[in-house]
Amino acid sequence: DTAVSQTPKYLVTQMGNDKSIKCEQNLGHDTMYWYKQDSKKFLKIMFSYNNKELIINETVPNRFSPKSPDKAHLNLHINSLELGDSAVYFCASSQGLEGYEAFFGQGTRLTVV
Amino acid sequence: AQKVTQAQTEISVVEKEDVTLDCVYETRDTTYYLFWYKQPPSGELVFLIRRNSFDEQNEISGRYSWNFQKSTSSFNFTITASQVVDSAVYFCALKDNDYKLSFGAGTTVTVRA
Repeated sequence: DTAVSQTPKYLVTQMGNDKSIKCEQNLGHDTMYWYKQDSKKFLKIMFSYNNKELIINETVPNRFSPKSPDKAHLNLHINSLELGDSAVYFCASSQGLEGYEAFFGQGTRLTVV
Repeated sequence: AQKVTQAQTEISVVEKEDVTLDCVYETRDTTYYLFWYKQPPSGELVFLIRRNSFDEQNEISGRYSWNFQKSTSSFNFTITASQVVDSAVYFCALKDNDYKLSFGAGTTVTVRA
């Protein structure tokens, strides 16, 4: 029973395409996140949703759009993909906004060619 | 400004040696939370520990121990009697009142047999 699952695990696509990554958590958590890990392993928050409401929206190009249809799901849609979008994208969830630990999905390795 | 600094980029040890990973954080909030995560070569992010700012007790879990010192804004992590399976990237992270889980740059630990 995977707590936080993301699909797909690998995504290879051409520049200019639009793609989506899906995330689901079965932990009953209220808060979900998207993180980007670059080639140097640096992890940076992109978005955070709490009870389906957008709470954190970091300096991310507006080609990236998160969507939370319900508390258990947080999808990431990316328009007009660029080479620089190549990275590993992690979805995570936590019980709430404050000091709770976040549990991460296995990551989606996006390669833009 | 970077909130979490992990000055050690890479550490290489021989099995059974102890290894200590440094983490220095910066925040103006009095309530905050500190975390350690492990990222093995398989790529997933594994939660190890959470500490709140009011609890300076050190913690031991098997071969892992953590030393939290508010006076020096440090939350260091020691692996005792390291094993090859400990080889991973270890991240220290901070969450304060902006609700963002901010990660350090990570320390890559390589344990040689």
